[in-house]
Amino acid sequence: QVQLQESGPGLVKPSQTLSLTCTVSGGSISSGDHYWTWIRQPPGKGLEWIGYVYYNGNTYYNPSLKSRVTISVDTSKNQFSLKLSSVTAADTAVYYCARDPYGYGDYSRGQIWGQGTLVTVSS
Amino acid sequence: DIQMTQSPSSLSASVGDRVTITCRASQGVRNDLGWYQQKPGKAPKGLIYAASSLQSGVPSRFSGSGSGTEFTLTISSLQPEDFATYYCLQHNSYPLTFGQGTKVEIK
Repeated sequence: QVQLQESGPGLVKPSQTLSLTCTVSGGSISSGDHYWTWIRQPPGKGLEWIGYVYYNGNTYYNPSLKSRVTISVDTSKNQFSLKLSSVTAADTAVYYCARDPYGYGDYSRGQIWGQGTLVTVSS
Repeated sequence: DIQMTQSPSSLSASVGDRVTITCRASQGVRNDLGWYQQKPGKAPKGLIYAASSLQSGVPSRFSGSGSGTEFTLTISSLQPEDFATYYCLQHNSYPLTFGQGTKVEIK
């Protein structure tokens, strides 16, 4: 059974870079059948799609965050990562990683989410 | 970006009630729409995919309908475990976008 687990610092100072890793267990990130996605949710608010990485390194980012976001993959570690630069208090959120179907097409086999990790931006 | 507008933003209902939540897209998304349930402190859980197909393991009291720009999630008989926040998600165009959520509370 595939599981995803986010990890990284829970506190980041303003203007610094937020870095999170999602470790995939029970399956291979290199299968080619999935996009590996980051989503965030500010406390008490709705969900925002950040972007995805494919196993070959192809990415797509939300234009609202594109200038500050980098999503990368490490197939040797079965992990993918999120970096968000120049953070402010507005970037305080629960960050989720997720496994989506390739091309965000056929969801008949469902979607898998990590449990989420809260990152607070504060000095 | 495609804007997804959910209504209502919150509702109060009793166990056994029929509940309907609507999601409207600012432009057509075909049937590339899913519905999610989120409980406090938990990740969202998929309920419906392709606008009207039930995810595996989801109770049949949940149903979805619609295509294009207007979609509906219906809970036919609300159960205690259904009190949660519900989101729609369009995955037709980048960036993917969620509705703002509908909180279903106990009356």
